[in-house]
This record gives sequence, C-alpha cells and structure tokens, in this order.
Amino acid sequence: DTGVSQNPRHKITKRGQNVTFRCDPISEHNRLYWYRQTLGQGPEFLTYFQNEAQLEKSRLLSDRFSAERPKGSFSTLEIQRTEQGDSAMYLCASSPGWGRGSYNEQFFGPGTRLTVL
Amino acid sequence: GQQLNQSPQSMFIQEGEDVSMNCTSSSIFNTWLWYKQEPGEGPVLLIALYKAGELTSNGRLTAQFGITRKDSFLNISASIPSDVGIYFCAGPAAGTYKYIFGTGTRLKVLA
Repeated sequence: DTGVSQNPRHKITKRGQNVTFRCDPISEHNRLYWYRQTLGQGPEFLTYFQNEAQLEKSRLLSDRFSAERPKGSFSTLEIQRTEQGDSAMYLCASSPGWGRGSYNEQFFGPGTRLTVL
Repeated sequence: GQQLNQSPQSMFIQEGEDVSMNCTSSSIFNTWLWYKQEPGEGPVLLIALYKAGELTSNGRLTAQFGITRKDSFLNISASIPSDVGIYFCAGPAAGTYKYIFGTGTRLKVLA
C-alpha cells in the first residue's frame, strides 16, 4: 500500500498522559499536514511541513502540542498533558509539492482516533 | 478569516437520483478540492479544480470551479448506496500554507 499511513489507529489515554502519533506520508511527497477533526466538523488545520521544516502552525496548536518531521519523511505529533478536550480524530495528509496543478492535492491517512478519559 | 460554507447540510435521496451540493466563500480561492469521508476514515480526494470556470468529471461525479472563484459545485449523477458519506470542499487560504475545509454535506441514499 503506497498511501498515507498513520499509527496507531486508536488511542485511549487518561487525562494528563502524553501521547504520540506517527504519520508516514506518500513516498516523495515533500509536503505534510496535520489536522484535527471533531464530530460533525470538517478537518481543522494544525501544522504544515515542507520537507523537514515546520513552516506554519495554527493558533489552535497550544504549547502542549508539538510536531516533528526529522528527516523530511515520517512525522510525529505529540500531545503532552492530555485534556478531555483533546479527544478528536487526528489526520495527516501529504501532497507532492510539484507537478502542474497537482501540488495542491492532499491525500489523507486513515487518522488516529484519540479518546482522553 | 476565510470560511467555506456548504449547502445543504444534509440530504436524503432515493437511489438513482442526481445530487447537487455547493460550497461558497467570502473570498477568492485559487484551488478547490472535493473530498468524501466515510465514518472512521480519512477524507478521500474526489476532484481537484484549478481554474475559474473549469468543469471536471470523475465517473458519476462532476465538479465546477465557479466563475467568481468564490464558489464551487459538486454533482453526483445516478446515486448509489455507496455514495453515502460526508462531502467536504477545501481550498488553500490566501497567503498561508493552511487549507480550509467546509462544513460538509452529509448524504444518505435510500435504496
């Protein structure tokens, strides 16, 4: 399978614990995005990487959230001291960053469903 | 900030009917992307539009980039039960790398 993969698919944690999610983008895609989606809403942008550089972060991303893409390939999203309000689906997407028109096309992974008890 | 409003919010239709939904913005977009999302899964890209007035098809799906660049339309012809899901429009916010997603149209198809 050459699509975007995310692990784990589901995570249940207790309030105050730290969690880390991983995203493996489509090979050769240099753009990577993280989104958060709550029930009944569209995905909300969290952060963007171009290769290993984090070029944009949403104001939604509090200081408890951190994301990395150390070698410009896979990315991790960590949430420290989780709160119940962090419960959501966390989605990762990648796009080529090149190619006529298609550089804007984002391909999503299946998401990680986080439940904070 | 930029927002995308989709209508209708939800639709219940009979199998075989055609469906139309739209997405509007208060500001100009240079790209429109249409996605379908099923429960527990990530959105799947259906159609991408890059030019005002452009009409693009993907099987039974047809999408149009509005001439004002502030709207886009998605049509599904001869709906089938597997068309059930939530349809989102999306586009890049001006001057940023951020993508904005619409509020979604929930489609249910009755066999």
